[in-house]
This record gives sequence, C-alpha cells and structure tokens, in this order.
Amino acid sequence: AIQMTQSPSSLSASVGDKVTITCRASQGIGSDLGWYQQKPGKAPKLLIYAASTSHTGVPSRFSGSGSGADFTLTISSLQPEDFATYYCLQDYEYPWTFGQGTRVELK
Amino acid sequence: DAQLVESGGGLMQPGGSVRLSCAASGFSVSNNYMSWVRQAPGKGLEWVAILYGGGSSFYADSVKGRFIISRDNSKNVLYLQMDRLGVEDAAVYYCARGLPSYIAAAGKYGLDVWGQGTTVTVSS
Repeated sequence: AIQMTQSPSSLSASVGDKVTITCRASQGIGSDLGWYQQKPGKAPKLLIYAASTSHTGVPSRFSGSGSGADFTLTISSLQPEDFATYYCLQDYEYPWTFGQGTRVELK
Repeated sequence: DAQLVESGGGLMQPGGSVRLSCAASGFSVSNNYMSWVRQAPGKGLEWVAILYGGGSSFYADSVKGRFIISRDNSKNVLYLQMDRLGVEDAAVYYCARGLPSYIAAAGKYGLDVWGQGTTVTVSS
C-alpha cells in the first residue's frame, strides 16, 4: 500500500498566519490527492481534490499544490475556525490511504 | 441537500459480526461511488472500503476478507457487513459519498458528503 507521510504532525499558529502542511507519498501518485479538515467530534470535510481543485464552498484561503509524490496544503491567513486536524488522502490506487494528520493549534 | 445517516453501531463481542447502515437522502447511492472510513479512538482516519455504481468494490488490507460493502438501491442504503471483529476494529465508522460527475470531472475523486458516524466498540 502507498504510505502517506504528513508533516508536521502538529503546529501552533496565530490568527492571520500563513500555514503550510505537506504530504509525501511513498511513490508517485500523479495528482490523485485530496485534503480534508476534521474538527473534534465531527466528520471530515473535503477541502481540496485532485491536488489543487477547491471543493465547492471552501474559502479561497485554502489552496493545494503538488504532483507526483509531494503535495502541499496552504492556508493563506489562518482564521479562528481553521483550528482543526488536516488529513491528506491518496486516491491513486487501492487501498486508498490517509496521512496521519496534522493538528493545527492556537499559539 | 444530500445527507447520510449511519446506524448499527454498538458494543460487539470479539469474533462477532455487525452490519452498519448508511441511509442516503437527496441523491441515489446507486449513482455514486460510496465509501466507508473509520477512526479509532484518538487516532487518525483510515479508509475502509469503496463501492462503485457499477458494483465493483475495493477494501483496505486490514479488512479484506472480513468486511463486505453493499447497497440496497430500493432503500437507498449503503451497508458494511463486518465479520470476525477484533478489538482493532473498534472505531467511529463514517460513510461518505464520492464526488458526483456534475461536480468533478472523470477521474477526479474525493469524498464530499459524510455522515455523522456510528461507533463500534469491540470488547468482551
């Protein structure tokens, strides 16, 4: 199975900060990667699919980039509602696999 | 609006079986690919299984041969039959809809609508 490694595992940031989360695949996966946001006790929400396509209704401060094995989720200006855990998910081949998550906390 | 509601979780015995249900509204499970994702207590997300409109299905290695994903088109319900349960199967189980073709181009995947989850506990 393809291994997805996210970094960092957690980070502390302030409102207004630019935040970057990376996801590395154990092999090339083209652009077959999505990003999900999850808040405690809630279901995940789709932010980005196909590496860089924003899902409907997602604020423009969220953007995704990358292809091959290295991907990035960027939050251009962190808002209070963005404190959450973020996961990448590769859908290049089965079994699909998630990264271990990146927790974004308030500094 | 598209919605998903899971049910069927609870306390299960090791070695036992359970069938989770995911009732869909606002869209047809037969016209979309559907997936199950789980999250063990305090852990990250784990993809479990997927079922396509045409009937093909795929599984995580950890559940292959023990779990079966299926659907009832007439009831518009997705299922996950879970057999030979182990303590490692204890988790919140979410069902999710795959991005429909009117949102994402062919070959572009994502899980855009999620249920609230149902909790499976495995303990003797």
